[in-house]
Amino acid sequence: DIQMTQSPSSLSASVGDRVTITCRASQNISSYLNWYQQKPGKAPNVLIYGASSSQSGVPSRFSGSGSGTDFTLTISSLQPEDFATYYCQQSYSTPTFGQGTKVEIK
Amino acid sequence: EVQLVESGGGLVQPGGSLRLSCAASGFSFSSYSMNWVRQAPGKGLEWVSYISSSGDTIYYADSVKGRFTISRDNARNSLYLQMNSLRADDTAVYYCVRQFTSSSRYNYFDPWGQGTLVTVSS
Repeated sequence: DIQMTQSPSSLSASVGDRVTITCRASQNISSYLNWYQQKPGKAPNVLIYGASSSQSGVPSRFSGSGSGTDFTLTISSLQPEDFATYYCQQSYSTPTFGQGTKVEIK
Repeated sequence: EVQLVESGGGLVQPGGSLRLSCAASGFSFSSYSMNWVRQAPGKGLEWVSYISSSGDTIYYADSVKGRFTISRDNARNSLYLQMNSLRADDTAVYYCVRQFTSSSRYNYFDPWGQGTLVTVSS
């Protein structure tokens, strides 16, 4: 199985901050990388697919980049509703997820 | 509105069985591959199983292979997960998830159901 490693596992940030979360695959997955947001008690929602394509309805402050083994999710200006846990997921082979990054209020 | 509604979760003893169901609405269910994804309490997401739109291709995570069986009834717009020989580490919220393929041929999970909690404990 392809292992996905996210960093950091958690971070504290303030409203308006620029936030970057990284995800590394254990082998080349081209651009087969998705990002999800999960709020407490809720199911995840897709933000980014294909490493850099934004899902319809997702605010433009969310962006994704990368290819091969290294990927990044960026929130350009953190909003109160963005405090959540974020997961990367590879769809190159049998799906696997990163361990998650919890974004907390500073 | 595209909607997935799971049911069938509950408390079961180790070694027991449970059958989860997922009712789909708002889209052409028979045209989409489906998955089950689980999340243990306070933990991350783990993919469990996949079934193609016609049901002829099925995959399982190693952690459930030989114990869980995924199936679907396209006439009833329903997805199922039969879980046997349940263990404490199967305790989790189980999500029914549609596999969507973009025009650029990337697969992703969308939408997710609200989840159903399975607790394996004596």
